Amino acid sequence: EIVLTQSPGTLSLSPGERATLSCRASQSVISSYLAWYQQKPGQTPRLLIYGASRRATGIPDRFSGSGSGTDFTLTISRLEADDFAVYYCQQYGNSRWTFGQGTKVEIQ
Amino acid sequence: QVQLQESGPGLVKPSETLSLTCTVSGGSINSYYWSWIRQPAGKGLEWIGRIYSSGGTNYNPSLKSRVTMSVDSSKNQFSLKLSSVTAADTAVYYCARDFRGDYNGYYYYYYMDVWGKGTTVTVSS
Repeated sequence: EIVLTQSPGTLSLSPGERATLSCRASQSVISSYLAWYQQKPGQTPRLLIYGASRRATGIPDRFSGSGSGTDFTLTISRLEADDFAVYYCQQYGNSRWTFGQGTKVEIQ
Repeated sequence: QVQLQESGPGLVKPSETLSLTCTVSGGSINSYYWSWIRQPAGKGLEWIGRIYSSGGTNYNPSLKSRVTMSVDSSKNQFSLKLSSVTAADTAVYYCARDFRGDYNGYYYYYYMDVWGKGTTVTVSS
């Protein structure tokens, strides 16, 4: 089973700052199967990025994804108030899905 | 627009079986995989397993011995049964669609594009 490790666990930033979230896999992941989700308290996870770097429909361009192999990154170029949430990476492989443990982006 | 709605008892006794159903509206259940995911309060997401519209399944190895999934295409529903529950199974349970997107020349993109709102299940006597 591929384990996804996200870092940091919590990111304390101010609006307007850049957020860089890491997702590291225990073995190589097919980039087409790597996605990022945003979850706000009491809400359902929302797809942000799929295929490691492709923005889902309606996602602002301040969100970007990159990476390949075992190292993937979600970047939020300029944080807005609405972006403070928990972010999960997810991968598909060997007929199963796994999620990272999440990174919380909080207001400093 | 496809929507998913989970339903089932919100309270289950320890050692009993948790049963949930996800109803698909606004689209067909056919030709997709459908997943169940859970999230204990304050914790992360755990994939439980998935079922194809024709009935094929894949389960999380950590839960496999206790999980059974089924599908009823005539009702546009799929279901989850989790047996021998304990307090550790208390969580919000989500259903979601596994979506196969465009082909990029090497692979299809694959992600969960539609999620239900989730239903809280508490295991307690």
